[in-house]
Amino acid sequence: DGGITQSPKYLFRKEGQNVTLSCEQNLNHDAMYWYRQDPGQGLRLIYYSQIVNDFQKGDIAEGYSVSREKKESFPLTVTSAQKNPTAFYLCASSIATVNQPQHFGDGTRLSIL
Amino acid sequence: AQSVAQPEDQVNVAEGNPLTVKCTYSVSGNPYLFWYVQYPNRGLQFLLKYITGDNLVKGSYGFEAEFNKSQTSFHLKKPSALVSDSALYFCAVRDLLNYGGATNKLIFGTGTLLAVQP
Repeated sequence: DGGITQSPKYLFRKEGQNVTLSCEQNLNHDAMYWYRQDPGQGLRLIYYSQIVNDFQKGDIAEGYSVSREKKESFPLTVTSAQKNPTAFYLCASSIATVNQPQHFGDGTRLSIL
Repeated sequence: AQSVAQPEDQVNVAEGNPLTVKCTYSVSGNPYLFWYVQYPNRGLQFLLKYITGDNLVKGSYGFEAEFNKSQTSFHLKKPSALVSDSALYFCAVRDLLNYGGATNKLIFGTGTLLAVQP
């Protein structure tokens, strides 16, 4: 079955540590997205990528970094510069044609130790 | 500026009764609107979208949404609620200001928690 796989499901970060969240899709989608979800704030876009080797900052990119070296993979690194990383992180993908829905993974919950 | 508003944090409805989850939008240009549902500790699932054409859009699991241009609204509806419909619902609008509008980048509302009582 095609879909988006996020791993790990739960992740703990120590102070000063960088952590990387994995997102892999086998839907052959060109575009991929990373969101952060906090209670009462909905989804906020961190980064998105329209095509391999290209990505754009979203609304809350500070303290995060991404890469897009392969079409199927879009890992997110939460750096030590992100002072409040505790949140639910969602990865999504879509085909490039406009007005097509995004497909979501089941998220990674990141907490601080 | 582009935005989506979901004015109700929570909607309570009895099983079997009709439900409405409200959404209003603000965009410069034609709106392209989406509804998603999220169950606990899961990702979002696409329910339906309005792009053009008929103002009443039918989607998954018996949900429908009514586009109203004069009221800039896109309310989600279902004629008869089920306990299993209890979840978090998000309205979203396609961002028309980035990449000249040529992306599927979305602006999400803050979500409405639907609670259906048996």
